[in-house]
Amino acid sequence: AQSVTQLGSHVSVSEGALVLLRCNYSSSVPPYLFWYVQYPNQGLQLLLKYTTGATLVKGINGFEAEFKKSETSFHLTKPSAHMSDAAEYFCAVTANFGNEKLTFGTGTRLTIIP
Amino acid sequence: NAGVTQTPKFQVLKTGQSMTLQCAQDMNHEYMSWYRQDPGMGLRLIHYSVGAGITDQGEVPNGYNVSRSTTEDFPLRLLSAAPSQTSVYFCASSSRKLAASTDTQYFGPGTRLTVL
Repeated sequence: AQSVTQLGSHVSVSEGALVLLRCNYSSSVPPYLFWYVQYPNQGLQLLLKYTTGATLVKGINGFEAEFKKSETSFHLTKPSAHMSDAAEYFCAVTANFGNEKLTFGTGTRLTIIP
Repeated sequence: NAGVTQTPKFQVLKTGQSMTLQCAQDMNHEYMSWYRQDPGMGLRLIHYSVGAGITDQGEVPNGYNVSRSTTEDFPLRLLSAAPSQTSVYFCASSSRKLAASTDTQYFGPGTRLTVL
C-alpha cells in the first residue's frame, strides 16, 4: 500500500521568494515519486520525477525536488517564484517494479504575491 | 500528434441517466487510466488498462465500466449517474513502463460532469 501527504493545501509566496511545497510518502516498497502541475482548467503536466540514482531531481520551469529516504519526503522547491508559477501542484507515488498505478496527494495551491 | 483527447469537455446529466466519456490517444501507449478529481481529494484512480483487452479496477470503480478494444481508445461508461459522480474526469496514458526515466504519464484536458 502507498499514500502521499501534502502539507498545506494553500501556500502563498512573494514573487522572487523561495517556493517550498512539502510531500511525504508512505510505501511498503521502494517508491517512484512524481510532481505534477495543473494550471486552471487544464490537465496535469509532469514537473519532475525520481526513479533511481541521484536523489536531487531537476525538472522543468526551474523546479527541483530531493528524495530523502530517511525522512520519507520528496519536497518541491524553486529558488525564485514567478507569477507564472501560480497553479496547483500534486505529488504522486508508485511502486518501483513497473506498477503504473499512481497514488496522488490532495494537492497544494500555490499563490504568488506580486 | 494530438496527445490525449477527451470528449465532451462539459456534460450535465440527470440522476439515472447513462453516458460514455470518450478518451483517445495517438501515441501508441499501452497504459491508459481514468481518474476523477474532487476538491480537497486530489486525483483518484477509477479504472486502468495495461493493453487492449485488459482492464482492472482502481481505487473508486463503483458505478463505472470500462473496456479497451483498441490501443487508442479507452471509454468510461457511467451506468446510472448519481450526484456523487459530479466531478472532473481525467484520462491519462503512458508507455508500459511508466517509471522508466524517459517516460511520463500524459493527461487529457478533462471532462467536467455535473449530475443533477
